Amino acid sequence: GAGVSQSPRYKVAKRGQDVALRCDPISGHVSLFWYQQALGQGPEFLTYFQNEAQLDKSGLPSDRFFAERPEGSVSTLKIQRTQQEDSAVYLCASSLPGTTEQYFGPGTRLTVT
Amino acid sequence: QKEVEQNSGPLSVPEGAIASLNCTYSDRVSQSFFWYRQYSGKSPELIMSIYSNGDKEDGRFTAQLNKASQYVSLLIRDSQPSDSATYLCAVRLVFGQGTRLTINP
Repeated sequence: GAGVSQSPRYKVAKRGQDVALRCDPISGHVSLFWYQQALGQGPEFLTYFQNEAQLDKSGLPSDRFFAERPEGSVSTLKIQRTQQEDSAVYLCASSLPGTTEQYFGPGTRLTVT
Repeated sequence: QKEVEQNSGPLSVPEGAIASLNCTYSDRVSQSFFWYRQYSGKSPELIMSIYSNGDKEDGRFTAQLNKASQYVSLLIRDSQPSDSATYLCAVRLVFGQGTRLTINP
């Protein structure tokens, strides 16, 4: 079956622009996770949804970052007024209920110039 | 101290040998532990999960968990060049920085 999909795969934004990154999880996976991965580092947790409920947003680095999953399927990570330090790969993952065995999408590489 | 620590490597192992990757963690109440493989330019791929003390084997991979000592390890037997990648240890939702493994033909 289809895996986790993310779009766009690459995004270049000028500093100060807003961006929206989309994640479409595996069908039937109620849990959805967002991570930020800088070059040479492991993924850093941003936020976690179970269905439409955002259960943990402790990893969001500032109030410029906002995530939503209004119908419990597709999720959008929005970054307002992008800064150069936001340049990273943003990974989305999903998992079955009751487990954190995560299946990752291909990621969106964000470059802020 | 980082919550999940791994030696960043690089770790170089000859083809056919056993590769041993280690990870320590700080949260004593953690219950779920994972190893992911990440090829350069790709996203992480789950290869092993372990939840209880002891060993868990899956093909050429063995995960070992010792909760008393707060470490988890991954052994790769009969290493192949295709195993060359970064291996990420995760304790629930917290990832280490990864160990870069190179298998030399």
